[in-house]
Amino acid sequence: EIEMTQSPATLSVSPGERATLSCRASHTVSSNLAWYQQKPGQAPRLLIYGAYNRATGTPARFSGSGSGTEFTLTITGLQSEDFAVYYCQQYNNWPRTFGQGTRLEIK
Amino acid sequence: QGQLVQSGAEVKRPGASVKVSCKASGYTFIDYGISWVRQAPGQGLEWIGWINPYNRNTDYAQKVQGRVTLTTDTSTTTAYMELRSLRSDDTAVYYCARLRGIYGDNVVWGQGTLVAVSS
Repeated sequence: EIEMTQSPATLSVSPGERATLSCRASHTVSSNLAWYQQKPGQAPRLLIYGAYNRATGTPARFSGSGSGTEFTLTITGLQSEDFAVYYCQQYNNWPRTFGQGTRLEIK
Repeated sequence: QGQLVQSGAEVKRPGASVKVSCKASGYTFIDYGISWVRQAPGQGLEWIGWINPYNRNTDYAQKVQGRVTLTTDTSTTTAYMELRSLRSDDTAVYYCARLRGIYGDNVVWGQGTLVAVSS
């Protein structure tokens, strides 16, 4: 089973600033990596797939990068609606696995 | 992209079974895989399993293997997740999600179904 490790667990950033979230896989997942955003009481929402492709409706301030075992989600010009929990997930191997999440909070 | 609508909340006793439904609409049901993900209170996302609606192939997480069965009904474009021998640590919100293609990322999510296991 591929283990996904996200860091940091919590990230405090001021509105308008940049946030950088990391996700590391225990073995290579190629570019089969997705990022999801989840707000309280809501289902997760797909943001990024294929490591760097924005999903339909994802604002351009969200960008993904990386391949193999190291991945990054960058959010520039943070807006109030961006403060949420973010999860990475690999879909290269069975079983599919999620990271434990990064909580992005307002500084 | 379609829509997934799940059945309502359930309260079950330990040892019982639960079957959650996920009604798909707005896309060709057999062309896309469906995954099931759960989230215990205050915890992260946990992948439970996957089904290919075309040929009903499945894959399950080790943690629930032997207790979970994923099925689909193509006539009603509905996916089902049955979990047996429920325990208190099965208490969670259960989500279904439509994949990108048969095997990809989770593109469209259902609204979630709370399953509470309590004596």
